[in-house]
Amino acid sequence: QLQLQESGPGLVKPSETLSLTCSVSGGSFSRGNFYWAWIRQPPGKGLEFIGSIYNSGSTYYSPPLESRVTISMDTSKSQFSLKVTSVTAADTAVYFCATKSTSANSPPDYWGQGALVTVSS
Amino acid sequence: EIVLTQSPGTLSLSPGERATLSCRASQSISSRYIAWYQQKPGQAPRLLIYGASTTATGIPDRFSGSGSGTDFTLTISRLEPEDLAIYYCQQYHSALQSFGQGTKLQI
Repeated sequence: QLQLQESGPGLVKPSETLSLTCSVSGGSFSRGNFYWAWIRQPPGKGLEFIGSIYNSGSTYYSPPLESRVTISMDTSKSQFSLKVTSVTAADTAVYFCATKSTSANSPPDYWGQGALVTVSS
Repeated sequence: EIVLTQSPGTLSLSPGERATLSCRASQSISSRYIAWYQQKPGQAPRLLIYGASTTATGIPDRFSGSGSGTDFTLTISRLEPEDLAIYYCQQYHSALQSFGQGTKLQI
């Protein structure tokens, strides 16, 4: 059973870069046609898909965030990461990492517990 | 980018009643790549339905999904108090996945 765990600073200053890492355990990280996704949820609001990276290396970013977001992966460490540059208070959110359990086209069914990141000076 | 619109925003029902939640897509979702999630406070979302109508592992059969094209529905028969949560639809037709804004179910 896959387990995902987000880690990173809980407080980031405005205009700086938010960096989070998702550590994957309990299964193979380098699995066929699988993706590793980041999703966020501002306090009291809904879920927002940030982007994903496939094991092929292809990345997909939500258009509103595309210019500020980078998702990368480190297969040797079974980790994937998120960077968001030039953050503002609007980037304050719980950030989830997620993936799917099958090679078929399917939605994320494995999620981390979420990491709250607050943007404040 | 595919936009999903959920209705109603809030639904207030009593235990034992039937809940019907709607999700409309801005364009047709081929192969019915629609999922439904349940989220309770302080928790990560939990996958309920995928492929528009396939129940995920461990989900009670009170939960069912239907629909095609642009209109999809999550039905919860015989509501129980623990069904209090926010429900989100999601499309994974595109690599740029997206979520609806959620329906809050009050019981």
